[in-house]
Amino acid sequence: DADVTQTPRNRITKTGKRIMLECSQTKGHDRMYWYRQDPGLGLRLIYYSFDVKDINKGEISDGYSVSRQAQAKFSLSLESAIPNQTALYFCATSDRGQDEAFFGQGTRLTVV
Amino acid sequence: GIQVEQSPPDLILQEGANSTLRCNFSDSVNNLQWFHQNPWGQLINLFYIPSGTKQNGRLSATTVATERYSLLYISSSQTTDSGVYFCAAGPNDYKLSFGAGTTVTVRA
Repeated sequence: DADVTQTPRNRITKTGKRIMLECSQTKGHDRMYWYRQDPGLGLRLIYYSFDVKDINKGEISDGYSVSRQAQAKFSLSLESAIPNQTALYFCATSDRGQDEAFFGQGTRLTVV
Repeated sequence: GIQVEQSPPDLILQEGANSTLRCNFSDSVNNLQWFHQNPWGQLINLFYIPSGTKQNGRLSATTVATERYSLLYISSSQTTDSGVYFCAAGPNDYKLSFGAGTTVTVRA
């Protein structure tokens, strides 16, 4: 089993719908992240969390919200999905003092 | 944030060939990672290398932090090496900036 698991792996949703992407990890890391990848581009940071009570906006947080339900779980919500949120979304984790980030398998989201 | 530039954008190799991918970054970093994105979209950690040289099988990487660049070497390339290679750099783990990637195609 993967150390960083994302669900669902693929999702097609309609404009205006609320959708949640979930991430869970078994690495025991305290830091978790959500990134977005658009075709032909690198990843951009949406939100990051140092622990359950510490959540921070990243480079492109508008239109997104997150919840850190437990140390091992970090979910990303699109309150009202729009077509330009169609992208590949990645969850990642790292451990304070270690710095190396590890990524989930990705969630391919299409908003029609 | 830090600007990360990768070159070349595309690379086509014959199986068995060697290649070098480059990553330039605009400021000093404490975190630099190389990833391979396979055709299924999965990001595989290759190296965590803010400075120095590391080797893992046919892959090796060198980061010269004082000159703000990192190199990824692929030797004796195989078709399974195809995909996109990303460099990510930053002052720490929560401020990583990704380059646009180098797309590598290895032909049999």
